[in-house]
Amino acid sequence: AQSVTQLDSQVPVFEEAPVELRCNYSSSVSVYLFWYVQYPNQGLQLLLKYLSGSTLVESINGFEAEFNKSQTSFHLRKPSVHISDTAEYFCAVSGHSSNTGKLIFGQGTTLQVKP
Amino acid sequence: DTEVTQTPKHLVMGMTNKKSLKCEQHMGHRAMYWYKQKAKKPPELMFVYSYEKLSINESVPSRFSPECPNSSLLNLHLHALQPEDSALYLCASSVRQAGWNEQFFGPGTRLTVL
Repeated sequence: AQSVTQLDSQVPVFEEAPVELRCNYSSSVSVYLFWYVQYPNQGLQLLLKYLSGSTLVESINGFEAEFNKSQTSFHLRKPSVHISDTAEYFCAVSGHSSNTGKLIFGQGTTLQVKP
Repeated sequence: DTEVTQTPKHLVMGMTNKKSLKCEQHMGHRAMYWYKQKAKKPPELMFVYSYEKLSINESVPSRFSPECPNSSLLNLHLHALQPEDSALYLCASSVRQAGWNEQFFGPGTRLTVL
C-alpha cells in the first residue's frame, strides 16, 4: 500500500519569491509520482510527473520537482511565483505493480501568493 | 480534442430526486473514473471503468450507480442521496487503466443535496 504526506497545508508567499511545496511518500513498491494543480472552481490539471529516468522533472510554467528515492520525497519548487499560481496543489502516487490506475493523493497544499 | 467535459456544472436536488451526471471525452481513452471531492480535501476515487466494464468500485453506496454506455461517455446516476453527498464530482480519463497514465480531469459537477 502507498501513502502520501504533504507536510504543509498552507504556504503563504509573496509574489516573485521562491516556493517549495513538500511531498513525502511511503510505499513497499516502486511508484510513479505526480503533482496536480487545482485552481478555484476547476478540476485537477497535471503539473508534472516522474515515471523513470532523470530525477528532475520540469513543467512548462516554471515549476520543477525532484524525485529523491532515498528520502522518498518529490518536492515541488518554483524560483519565482506569480499571483496566478495561487491554487491547491496535490501530490499523488501510483504503484508500479498494481495496474489499477489508482492515484493515492496527499491532503493538498494551498499556495497563497500575495502581492 | 484534449478535454473532458462534464454536465451539468451545478446541480441542486432533493433527497427523493433522481438525477444523472454526464461525462464525455473524445481522446480515445479507454479508462474513465469518477471521484468525489469535499471542500479542502483531495479527490476520493469512487469507480473505474476500463474498456466500458466496471473495474473498481470503492465500496460506494448503491444510491450512486455508474454507467458506461460507450467508450466516450460515462454517467453517474443518483437516487435518494443524503445531504452529506453534497460535493464536487469529478470525472477523469486516461489512455489505459495503468499507473503511469496521466489522468485528465473534467471541471466537475458541484452537487448540493437538500
